[in-house]
Amino acid sequence: DQQVKQNSPSLSVQEGRISILNCDYTNSMFDYFLWYKKYPAEGPTFLISISSIKDKNEDGRFTVFLNKSAKHLSLHIVPSQPGDSAVYFCAASGGSNYKLTFGKGTLLTVNP
Amino acid sequence: GAGVSQSPSNKVTEKGKDVELRCDPISGHTALYWYRQRLGQGLEFLIYFQGNSAPDKSGLPSDRFSAERTGESVSTLTIQRTQQEDSAVYLCASSPRRALRNEQFFGPGTRLTVL
Repeated sequence: DQQVKQNSPSLSVQEGRISILNCDYTNSMFDYFLWYKKYPAEGPTFLISISSIKDKNEDGRFTVFLNKSAKHLSLHIVPSQPGDSAVYFCAASGGSNYKLTFGKGTLLTVNP
Repeated sequence: GAGVSQSPSNKVTEKGKDVELRCDPISGHTALYWYRQRLGQGLEFLIYFQGNSAPDKSGLPSDRFSAERTGESVSTLTIQRTQQEDSAVYLCASSPRRALRNEQFFGPGTRLTVL
């Protein structure tokens, strides 16, 4: 049973436009959410996170929105740049549990 | 500073052989994690070490998998009698005890192919 779902395996956007990556979760115990970015042949790198006590967290061009009632979060990248092209993973954890549960990832391609 | 390093970067083995994968965490990081990523899948938790506490082995898929950690440094993941379904990228991550909650720093991974 997949507890963290990224239903779009890929997304293509034009440089300068907004990229929106979506993530849904099913476990009500999750209260901390993270986005990781992964380039080929490299490990994932932490991008941004959000606690369930917030509904928005912003860091430069990256904003994560959390809708707890819908068990949905999204990552917005504005403006998108070609260097943002990578696989983006949504991850979640709950309580004092250090384990991260990951989605399958979304491949973002930003076209010049 | 140096990040998490893993070796080898690639490993091809025959079914039934044992393999050993190594992880060097970031110096000073007390927590160390192993994950597995099969083709087209997300990262799957395998095992967690925190200081001198007993490791959490709840993610290990079978008793063919084991891991050790020497103090707060190097860790080794061992897979005995490898099977084709063990083919995956094995990722190691570390974090400091007082990290921002659950932010983990990943190594580049070891790509294991079992023929």
